This record gives sequence, structure tokens and C-alpha cells, in this order.
Amino acid sequence: DTAVSQTPKYLVTQMGNDKSIKCEQNLGHDTMYWYKQDSKKFLKIMFSYNNKELIINETVPNRFSPKSPDKAHLNLHINSLELGDSAVYFCASSQGKGEGPRGYTFGSGTRLTVV
Amino acid sequence: AQSVTQLGSHVSVSEGALVLLRCNYSSSVPPYLFWYVQYPNQGLQLLLKYTSAATLVKGINGFEAEFKKSETSFHLTKPSAHMSDAAEYFCAVTPRGTGKLIFGQGTTLQVKP
Repeated sequence: DTAVSQTPKYLVTQMGNDKSIKCEQNLGHDTMYWYKQDSKKFLKIMFSYNNKELIINETVPNRFSPKSPDKAHLNLHINSLELGDSAVYFCASSQGKGEGPRGYTFGSGTRLTVV
Repeated sequence: AQSVTQLGSHVSVSEGALVLLRCNYSSSVPPYLFWYVQYPNQGLQLLLKYTSAATLVKGINGFEAEFKKSETSFHLTKPSAHMSDAAEYFCAVTPRGTGKLIFGQGTTLQVKP
């Protein structure tokens, strides 16, 4: 029973397209995140939602729009995809700000390739 | 701004040898500190977390890390490397109250037979 699940696992698309990545967690956490891992494996936070409210919005192009229909789901929509958007996108969740003993739980990632 | 530095982007050890992966953070107030492991084509798995309860933190798979405030370090160790330990290891911090994980650059651990 996967705790944080993302779909799709792989996504190959052409430049200029619009795509979405979905994330769901069944841990009962109230906070969810999107992280981006670039080709050099560097991980950086993009967004965070707490109970459907946006609380962290890093310097990310406005082509990226997160949506949280409820506290168990956080989707990432990307408009007008560019080559530089190719990366692995990780969803994560936590209770509160991750200060509990288990911290943050990550999904297995979505590898996005823009061609 | 808070930052994390992992010394050595690539560490190679022999099976059975000591594993030492280095991590230093910059903060005037000790943050929460984490070590995560990433196996090829997989997500991030929590190895251990420092929350100020104890300076020596034991994690999964025989790993442990020691928080040293005077050195602003949180190095990860394992007494005896196993082939299955080969992976990417990330040190990360959460400045208290932010809910934001800040990652180091990662260290690739290679284990030779």
C-alpha cells in the first residue's frame, strides 16, 4: 500500500505541450510538496500546500501551477513545456512542517523528458 | 541563507570497510537534519533524522550520524559497507518552522567487492 504515489512514473512529451503530474498520499498528512531533481541530481523545493493552502512558492516559472483539491492530493500542471523542464519531479508529504520523527515521505518520482 | 555542503560527490569503499559521508550545514540555530538515500530510479528513503533529542542518531540499515554543533556537522557512518549500500546519499536540513527541506549536492557511494 504505497504511502505517496505519483502518476505517471515516466512522461515523454514535446516542447510546447501542457502536461500534469498527479500525487496522492494515504498517510493522513496535512502538508504536501513538489521537489525538482535536475540532471545533476540536485533537489530543490518548488511548492508546498498545507490543507489545500499554498504556503511555499519558490522562484518557479509561472508555467508551473500546483493544485490541491484536498489535503491528500497535490497535482502539478506545466504549460508550454520547455527542454529545461526535463527532470525528475518528486512529491512528498509531512504532518505539519515535517518536525515529527518521520519527517517527510517521498513518492518514487516522475521522470519528465521534453523532446 | 541556510545551506548544506556534502564533501565529496563520489565516495568509493571496499565491501566490509567503514563508510563515512560528510555533511556540514550553515545555521546559527541548529536545524532539523536528515539523511536520505536514493537507489537508482527510485524515490528518497529516510535513513535518519536529528531532532535535538540525542546527538548520536541511529537509522536504518546500520547507519548512524552524529550531530556536532561546534563543527556544524552531521556526518553519516556505517561500520561495514555492504554491496547493497551503493546508492546516492543526500544530507538535508529544515530550518525550524519553515517546512522546507534544503538538500546538499548528494554523494554517490560506490562499494567494491
